[in-house]
Amino acid sequence: GAGVSQTPSNKVTEKGKYVELRCDPISGHTALYWYRQSLGQGPEFLIYFQGTGAADDSGLPNDRFFAVRPEGSVSTLKIQRTERGDSAVYLCASSPGLAGGIDEQFFGPGTRLTVL
Amino acid sequence: AQSVAQPEDQVNVAEGNPLTVKCTYSVSGNPYLFWYVQYPNRGLQFLLKYITGDNLVKGSYGFEAEFNKSQTSFHLKKPSALVSDSALYFCAVRDFFSGNTPLVFGKGTRLSVIA
Repeated sequence: GAGVSQTPSNKVTEKGKYVELRCDPISGHTALYWYRQSLGQGPEFLIYFQGTGAADDSGLPNDRFFAVRPEGSVSTLKIQRTERGDSAVYLCASSPGLAGGIDEQFFGPGTRLTVL
Repeated sequence: AQSVAQPEDQVNVAEGNPLTVKCTYSVSGNPYLFWYVQYPNRGLQFLLKYITGDNLVKGSYGFEAEFNKSQTSFHLKKPSALVSDSALYFCAVRDFFSGNTPLVFGKGTRLSVIA
């Protein structure tokens, strides 16, 4: 079946602009995660949704970052007033959301954000 | 707090030789441990996981990993490396008591298999 998809695959923007990154999870997966991966680093957690609600947003670096998942499926990560330091690959993952956290996460291909 | 250490940035191995990619972890409770592989311009792919039970876990593409509680390690292994195994490998952990929470990843180890 279809995996996790992310759009766009690449986004180039100018400092100070607003961007939206979209994630389509695997159908039926209730848990959705956003991570950010910088060059030479492992993915770093940003925010986690269980259904429509953000269960944990402790990884968002500041209030310029915001994410929504209004219908419990597609999610959008929004970044206001982008800075050059926001340049990274933004990864989305989904999982069935089984109790106890035993399920693995399925990752999308990522969106490479470049802020000039 | 949970953490993962992958002590080697790069591992080089000849094709046909056994390979090991090291991972150690730190959690306050019992760990759930995962290995992922990342090929260029692609997302992370799940390889295997340890939840409970047998300490030797078998996964995709002939990979396996051994959970060692006393050494807090979860090294990834393969008996005979292929050139196509060349990729970036990530170890990740989640604390059993944290439930369905985000994974904490290591920095990754780049595996290069030389023909």
